[in-house]
Amino acid sequence: DAGITQSPRHKVTETGTPVTLRCHQTENHRYMYWYRQDPGHGLRLIHYSYGVKDTDKGEVSDGYSVSRSKTEDFLLTLESATSSQTSVYFCAGGKGAGELFFGEGSRLTVL
Amino acid sequence: SQQGEEDPQALSIQEGENATMNCSYKTSINNLQWYRQNSGRGLVHLILIRSNEREKHSGRLRVTLDTSKKSSSLLITASRAADTASYFCATSKTSYDKVIFGPGTSLSVIP
Repeated sequence: DAGITQSPRHKVTETGTPVTLRCHQTENHRYMYWYRQDPGHGLRLIHYSYGVKDTDKGEVSDGYSVSRSKTEDFLLTLESATSSQTSVYFCAGGKGAGELFFGEGSRLTVL
Repeated sequence: SQQGEEDPQALSIQEGENATMNCSYKTSINNLQWYRQNSGRGLVHLILIRSNEREKHSGRLRVTLDTSKKSSSLLITASRAADTASYFCATSKTSYDKVIFGPGTSLSVIP
């Protein structure tokens, strides 16, 4: 969806380095989500936000933090990347618990 | 976890046949959604059914919801090769709660 933009789309990094993934939206979605997708697991929720500076943990939040200082941007940070965090990360936005609009994903490889 | 299993994990059918995918969940829900994901892309919303609805249609899609069995099914009629994708169900406990996804069903439609 053109309203959700993720950056970077691809990143290779080394174990122990910090990584920040950015999600930018132009649709004034109140809710924003970060999911990771791994084979056999579908999408697992990492963190979500229900408003500016309002965030909560999802199913697999260990090793991740998020920030939302303005409506448009939702940042996902891996403080010290590990190989188990190699995954495809998806950001999504929506008005509530209804239809979500997804970005195209960010593929992260941790060596 | 509020999300259960989807079955089958993979489904292969001939073009023109109907495809049925099932989703089970564990807790009471406010709504259930179905999404589609083409290879390498973000998810796209297909249909949302609320807990007080039993059936919903959208084009060639038919979704049913049985809250007593905590299950839903997605039927795609007269399938096409272009329907080849992964399909995910997602649930929310309330109208403003987080959205949790299942592991998905991979559908292959053979021309």
